[in-house]
Parts: sequence; C-alpha cells; structure tokens
Amino acid sequence: DAGVIQSPRHEVTEMGQEVTLRCKLISGHNSLFWYRQTMMRGLELLIYFNNNVPIDDSGMPEDRFSAKMPNASFSTLKIQPSEPRDSAVYFCASRPGRPEKLFFGSGTQLSVL
Amino acid sequence: GNSVTQMEGPVTLSEEAFLTINCTYTATGYPSLFWYVQYPGEGLQLLLKATKADDKGSNKGFEATYRKETTSFHLEKGSVQVSDSAVYFCALRGSGGGADGLTFGKGTHLIIQP
Repeated sequence: DAGVIQSPRHEVTEMGQEVTLRCKLISGHNSLFWYRQTMMRGLELLIYFNNNVPIDDSGMPEDRFSAKMPNASFSTLKIQPSEPRDSAVYFCASRPGRPEKLFFGSGTQLSVL
Repeated sequence: GNSVTQMEGPVTLSEEAFLTINCTYTATGYPSLFWYVQYPGEGLQLLLKATKADDKGSNKGFEATYRKETTSFHLEKGSVQVSDSAVYFCALRGSGGGADGLTFGKGTHLIIQP
C-alpha cells in the first residue's frame, strides 16, 4: 500500500486565491483527520471524518476553511480566500476501524504571499 | 480539556549520549499515550505507545513509561544516533466518547551531532 497520499507537496499562492489540498486515504481506513502544523501552535486538529461524515470541525479556524469527503477514499481541504497567516504544513492522516494508530501523509507545505 | 506539554527544543546532543524528552499531560479518565516522530520532509510516524498506567512502550531503542501518579510519559534512549535527529511529538487520546482525535504536544526538535 502506498500510504496516505497528499497533493500537492508544496503550494505557493498569493493572498486572496483559493487553495485546495487533497488527500487519498489508505484503502480500508474509515477515519480521516486534517491537521495544521506551525511553529507557534504545533499540530492542531482541524477536522475529522468518520465513514465520510464530519464528526468534529471545531478546530477549523474560520469560515474560509472547508473540508469535504466525497467518497470513502478521498478528501479535500479548501481555503478561500487564502491569507498569509494560513501558511503552514497541512497534514492528512487516516486510520482503520481499530483505534489508536494514525497514518500520516507527507504533508502539504502551503505558503501564502 | 486534554492537553500535552513537552519540553521545548531544540535539544542538541552528541552521538551516544543519553536522551530524555519530558512529556506531561492533562486528561480526564484513562487516556492512551503516544510518541510520534517526524523526520525532515515527512509526515508523523508512530514510535511507541502505552494504553494503561505502568505500561512501557518501546521501539528502536526508545522507551517511555506511562506514569499516572505524575501524569508523565517521558521518552528515553540510552545511546542516540545521528539518524535519530527528528521532531518528537508526545500525544494522547482521551478515554471519553467523541475524543477520537489525538491531542499533540508542540514537538521537540532533537539534533544529534556526530
């Protein structure tokens, strides 16, 4: 299995532009987590899905952020409009029904200029 | 709510030195505790875990013991290598319903010099 796959690996954009981050889960996993990593705040949980359903989005910073899981293997995190303070590494993680261990993707390094 | 506090880095050691990275937590009930490692340019990987008091997690020479009396889960290794250079995250998963996501500490950057 290729593991959790995120794209793009790096994204550089200008303030005000729409940004879409993508994540492909490991086959058979049914929970999906989006994290944001910054020097100041460390790793923050933004949102997680269970069986395609958003369970807790209390970590989503503002209405500019939205996440979807249109099917069991794929998710997107969208920022519209983007701002320089959104610059961070965004990680997607998944896990199978058995709890505890998360499998992380390699992350998307987002820079908003 | 749940929280994890770990020592700030960077921690710089020479090869073969003894390593301790402190981690304490706040949680209700009986959380599960984890150490994750992040190598440069990669996502996090589970290093070890412990699910109940006095359990010891171990992997790749690293160890951590779940101490409920001190609410701690310190990471130790007897002799570090240059390849251990990475960022280490302490994390917990609460025992209550709905606490599905892991709560992470801010991470400790470990630098091992040859």
